[in-house]
Amino acid sequence: EAQVTQNPRYLITVTGKKLTVTCSQNMNHEYMSWYRQDPGLGLRQIYYSMNVEVTDKGDVPEGYKVSRKEKRNFPLILESPSPNQTSLYFCASSELGGTSTDTQYFGPGTRLTVL
Amino acid sequence: AQSVTQLGSHVSVSEGALVLLRCNYSSSVPPYLFWYVQYPNQGLQLLLKYTSAATLVKGINGFEAEFKKSETSFHLTKPSAHMRDAAEYFCAVRVSGSARQLTFGSGTQLTVLP
Repeated sequence: EAQVTQNPRYLITVTGKKLTVTCSQNMNHEYMSWYRQDPGLGLRQIYYSMNVEVTDKGDVPEGYKVSRKEKRNFPLILESPSPNQTSLYFCASSELGGTSTDTQYFGPGTRLTVL
Repeated sequence: AQSVTQLGSHVSVSEGALVLLRCNYSSSVPPYLFWYVQYPNQGLQLLLKYTSAATLVKGINGFEAEFKKSETSFHLTKPSAHMRDAAEYFCAVRVSGSARQLTFGSGTQLTVLP
């Protein structure tokens, strides 16, 4: 089954404790992206990746890191989480970025609480 | 830069009534437009997308949207609401040539009353 998976689905942590949220897709998609969803703000892009070893900042990259060492995986890293990073996070992938109109497929979300 | 405005953060309709969710976009170049739906505790699912082929776009679950360039709008409609349509709906825009993919609106929560 074609899907985007995220782990963990729920996470409660404390300020300053490094964490990683994993994202994996089995569709051989080139493009992957991370969003955060906050009430009244919709989804905002954190980082995206056009392909392996190619990443770039989205609209709200501060406090986050990403890596793309393999095509299927795109982990989101919070080196020193703060309470304002409490949010619902979505990973997404699509076949191509850039000029295509391909559909973006979303993972089920990770609800993060930073105390 | 492109942007999307969804009018009405909450919309309530009776079962069987018309659903109209509003979306206006801002873009300096012809955009691609999308509607996504998010059911409770789930990720986003594509409903439909406008890619300049036809101004009236039909999607899944009986939804459709019409691209109106003169009004910079892409409103989502469904003739008859069903209880299972209760969800949050997001309009999104992407500009051709942009690698940053989608810019989302703030969402509209649709409630369907029995």
